[in-house]
Amino acid sequence: GAVVSQHPSRVICKSGTSVKIECRSLDFQATTMFWYRQFPKQSLMLMATSNEGSKATYEQGVEKDKFLINHASLTLSTLTVTSAHPEDSSFYICSARGAGAATDTQYFGPGTRLTVL
Amino acid sequence: QQQVKQSPQSLIVQKGGISIINCAYENTAFDYFPWYQQFPGKGPALLIAIRPDVSEKKEGRFTISFNKSAKQFSLHIMDSQPGDSATYFCAASITGNTGKLIFGQGTTLQVKP
Repeated sequence: GAVVSQHPSRVICKSGTSVKIECRSLDFQATTMFWYRQFPKQSLMLMATSNEGSKATYEQGVEKDKFLINHASLTLSTLTVTSAHPEDSSFYICSARGAGAATDTQYFGPGTRLTVL
Repeated sequence: QQQVKQSPQSLIVQKGGISIINCAYENTAFDYFPWYQQFPGKGPALLIAIRPDVSEKKEGRFTISFNKSAKQFSLHIMDSQPGDSATYFCAASITGNTGKLIFGQGTTLQVKP
């Protein structure tokens, strides 16, 4: 159990376009989802926290107008990178936290490799 | 105070040996300490987690040792195998809070055959 999927697994786009990444909890309801960014050989950097039905909370330094997060249901959150530029190229990973006894446990998706040309 | 410091940055161990990765924290409000394993190009996978009410937790070849007074915890991988070669992250969070995990810097483990 506790499977989180992400789609797409990799995407290549031209500079100036927008890209949407989906994160789904497949076998549990995720009250909270998190979006991370990871550069090569570095740790995970939390970008934002989203709770179902409410606005996302962004970490300091993360542009909320550039990285749009929507958590429309208990199993789906989306990250849209608007007007992507080469510096947005990175590995984006979501995680989900469920309700109930194991609320501290975050389960991670497989990640999405974004390359902006 | 929100940092979690992880060491070493990289580690090379012979097959069958013990791999030890250490983490230290400052915030005494942290009460949940998971370890994640990440292979290249994949998302992190939860390995094992511990809470401060126990000093040790073992799951198969993986053991977490926790020292509350020293504010340190460590991951021990017994009988290390080449398949254990990956990057390991420790983390900490506060129960009932936002759920945010504070991650360590990561340790790249290479197990030589």
